[in-house]
Amino acid sequence: TQLLEQSPQFLSIQEGENLTVYCNSSSVFSSLQWYRQEPGEGPVLLVTVVTGGEVKKLKRLTFQFGDARKDSSLHITAAQPGDTGLYLCAGVRGSNYKLTFGKGTLLTVNP
Amino acid sequence: EPEVTQTPSHQVTQMGQEVILRCVPISNHLYFYWYRQILGQKVEFLVSFYNNEISEKSEIFDDQFSVERPDGSNFTLKIRSTKLEDSAMYFCASSETRRGGQTQYFGPGTRLLVL
Repeated sequence: TQLLEQSPQFLSIQEGENLTVYCNSSSVFSSLQWYRQEPGEGPVLLVTVVTGGEVKKLKRLTFQFGDARKDSSLHITAAQPGDTGLYLCAGVRGSNYKLTFGKGTLLTVNP
Repeated sequence: EPEVTQTPSHQVTQMGQEVILRCVPISNHLYFYWYRQILGQKVEFLVSFYNNEISEKSEIFDDQFSVERPDGSNFTLKIRSTKLEDSAMYFCASSETRRGGQTQYFGPGTRLLVL
């Protein structure tokens, strides 16, 4: 059983389309982070959300943390080929130090 | 912009050999971490380190693994006797605090291949 379930696992869309990817759990997280990872590289931080219901925007990316702090979503508007990559969500529970990662959504944006 | 650096970028070793992976965390950060990612799998937590001692470790982090902060800048992961299944990308991360909103910044990784 995965602590953080990401969906969809794979997503291939055309340039200009909108998309949403999801990160769900039955557990409560004290914070949740979204990363993007290119092949052979380390995860690059996109955003950290802390407060239930919080919405953060990063240019064309909108991140939302669920009210109960159990889930999150990432919405991309007018996707571009440069958005192609593996999107990972990762959360911290309680007073633990460790990040628990989901398996990621592999996004391909075709020109 | 400050970043976490790791050396070497690639390491090939024979089974049973010792390897040391090196990391330089962001300079004002106090918490340090190692994660690994086996090819095609998710990123997994290994260990966290604060104030010169291990704060938390996973079941993966057995007696073959150790971490050290030998000076004011480096943070190392040692694998004493490597096994084939240790082949993976190893990521170092650091964070300023661990209060709510703890944000961990990752290095580019070391790709370890055990033959």
